[in-house]
Amino acid sequence: KNQVEQSPQSLIILEGKNCTLQCNYTVSPFSNLRWYKQDTGRGPVSLTIMTFSENTKSNGRYTATLDADTKQSSLHITASQLSDSASYICVVSPEASGGSYIPTFGRGTSLIVHP
Amino acid sequence: NAGVTQTPKFRVLKTGQSMTLLCAQDMNHEYMYWYRQDPGMGLRLIHYSVGEGTTAKGEVPDGYNVSRLKKQNFLLGLESAAPSQTSVYFCASSYRRTSGGAYEQFFGPGTRLTVL
Repeated sequence: KNQVEQSPQSLIILEGKNCTLQCNYTVSPFSNLRWYKQDTGRGPVSLTIMTFSENTKSNGRYTATLDADTKQSSLHITASQLSDSASYICVVSPEASGGSYIPTFGRGTSLIVHP
Repeated sequence: NAGVTQTPKFRVLKTGQSMTLLCAQDMNHEYMYWYRQDPGMGLRLIHYSVGEGTTAKGEVPDGYNVSRLKKQNFLLGLESAAPSQTSVYFCASSYRRTSGGAYEQFFGPGTRLTVL
């Protein structure tokens, strides 16, 4: 069964500090991995996406890395801001024939940034 | 573009009542999805559609039905609501997947449903 495990479940940091969120997956065959940010009471919004051949992708202060061999990804947030307080969700999609497939969602990491 | 919209935003039902949640997208996406999100459980796929007139079951389909009569709309129905269906429901849409390609799922703002 395809699974996506995220850690930690929750994290509290001070404003201005850096942090790293982890994602391990068993989805196979792998196609792509995406990190979403979900603010409280809102729908998820895509931050980054990486395919098999990519091992790093940045979006402003967010940098995602991918190790397809160990099936691990991380999301690094630099110089955190209060607005970074949100849930961060890792989503992994399989490679499938016929154009029809289902992505697997992790349960998310809840990040709280304190002033 | 409005993106993905959901109607209603909030709803309270009594056990046994029925209702329909409407999802609309104006991005000409082929794929549409319904998810539910519960505390500590993450997003779970209820049903999805890969095109007009086609639907398929996801991870947690029991107690729900869907229809995709028009490409831009995806309806989620609860025939006889149960307290276990209290949740936040998200609709999403995306382009058709191409081999080796990657695409983004765009999510709606969610519908918060409470079943008493």
